[in-house]
Amino acid sequence: DGGITQSPKYLFRKEGQNVTLSCEQNLNHDAMYWYRQDPGQGLRLIYYSQIVNDFQKGDIAEGYSVSREKKESFPLTVTSAQKNPTAFYLCASSNDRVNTEAFFGQGTRLTVV
Amino acid sequence: GEDVEQSLFLSVREGDSSVINCTYTDSSSTYLYWYKQEPGAGLQLLTYIFSNMDMKQDQRLTVLLNKKDKHLSLRIADTQTGDSAIYFCAEIPIPSNTGKLIFGQGTTLQVKP
Repeated sequence: DGGITQSPKYLFRKEGQNVTLSCEQNLNHDAMYWYRQDPGQGLRLIYYSQIVNDFQKGDIAEGYSVSREKKESFPLTVTSAQKNPTAFYLCASSNDRVNTEAFFGQGTRLTVV
Repeated sequence: GEDVEQSLFLSVREGDSSVINCTYTDSSSTYLYWYKQEPGAGLQLLTYIFSNMDMKQDQRLTVLLNKKDKHLSLRIADTQTGDSAIYFCAEIPIPSNTGKLIFGQGTTLQVKP
C-alpha cells in the first residue's frame, strides 16, 4: 500500500542530545514537509523540500536540520539547540504545490527527559 | 497577512448535526481544507474547496464558504461517536511557491452518546 511512514512513534531525548526522526514515502511525491504540533495550536512548518537535494526553512526552523538525499526520504534532526523540543512532529508529502493530495504520516511524539 | 482562526471546542449529541467554523484573512485566491485528527494520529484530509466555490457536499459533510466574510464552515450531518476528533481548517493562498499549509488552532469535537 502506498503511504507515508514516520518512525519511531515515540521518542525520548535527554538534554543536549540530537535525535533524528524518520519520514519515508512511497507515493512518488516530489514535495515533503515537516510540521510541529503543540497542544491547542495549529501545525507550524519547520522545513520543506520540493525536490531532491534541495530544502527550505519554514517558519520555525531554528534548532532543526533536514536532508533530502532521496526522493522518498526526508529525515528531521532535532538538535540540542532546539530549546523546547517536546512536541508532536508530523511529516507530509504532496505531488503538487497546492497540496490537494497531501498525505500525512502518523506522527512522532518527542519528549525531553 | 495570513491567519486562520477556529473556535477550540464543540460538543454535540450523537445524531445531531455539527457545525465547525473557521475564518481566514488572506485576501488572494486560496484553497481551503478541512483535516481530521484522531488522538495520537496524523491528519486525514476530509475535503477541500477553492475560493471561487460557495459549497461542496460529500456524503455527510457539507462545506460552506462565505467569501465576503472570509468564513468557512464544515457541517457534519448525523454526527457519530466516531466523529470525535480535532478538526483543522487550513488554507494555501494562491499562487503558492511552497505548498505550505496555514492551519487554524483546531476544533475539538466531542460527541456525546
